[in-house]
Amino acid sequence: DAGITQSPRHKVTETGTPVTLRCHQTENHRYMYWYRQDPGHGLRLIHYSYGVKDTDKGEVSDGYSVSRSKTEDFLLTLESATSSQTSVYFCAISERGTSALSTDTQYFGPGTRLTVL
Amino acid sequence: AQSVTQLDSHVSVSEGTPVLLRCNYSSSYSPSLFWYVQHPNKGLQLLLKYTSAATLVKGINGFEAEFKKSETSFHLTKPSAHMSDAAEYFCVVSSQAGTALIFGKGTTLSVSS
Repeated sequence: DAGITQSPRHKVTETGTPVTLRCHQTENHRYMYWYRQDPGHGLRLIHYSYGVKDTDKGEVSDGYSVSRSKTEDFLLTLESATSSQTSVYFCAISERGTSALSTDTQYFGPGTRLTVL
Repeated sequence: AQSVTQLDSHVSVSEGTPVLLRCNYSSSYSPSLFWYVQHPNKGLQLLLKYTSAATLVKGINGFEAEFKKSETSFHLTKPSAHMSDAAEYFCVVSSQAGTALIFGKGTTLSVSS
């Protein structure tokens, strides 16, 4: 298994509070990703990072921000949590990302279950 | 735009019988295609990956998938189901723009004894 940990694994919070989820990798991979998983939607990309301090938005980025100050850590922040952000959040990593020739494999962490009341 | 459709939200089989999980994709270029598996309350594990080499791709745990460009399909098969195969399976296509993966909505596989 790829060395990816997520913390916390479970969190219950109230509407309007800030929440930060952490993804930590020991593989020294350049690319890191945050997805959310909701029933009937599969996984959807929130944000991704292609290097330290280099990030970009995904399909469902509204209400989320990210930061990457070290290669091994990628933080996802909900500035003011809403009930629509109740979900399971997965971090993923990959070594090379996508080129015109192929797409590098992404490896996923164990997930964080977030409940916003 | 790229998209992926998993044709069955739920498939039920008996142990020892074949498994077929269907996936169609839409893409304006030659995509990379993946199947991931997620066991209950677990993360996602890569089963197999197609990247324009052999059209028949063999993965872990006896699964394989065949890329058919003419049918825009990438169906997942296994000759004989095992109880441990019960899980949710995701068909995934690469995005041409950036590094996004586009996930299907998933197929839940149930295996009965």
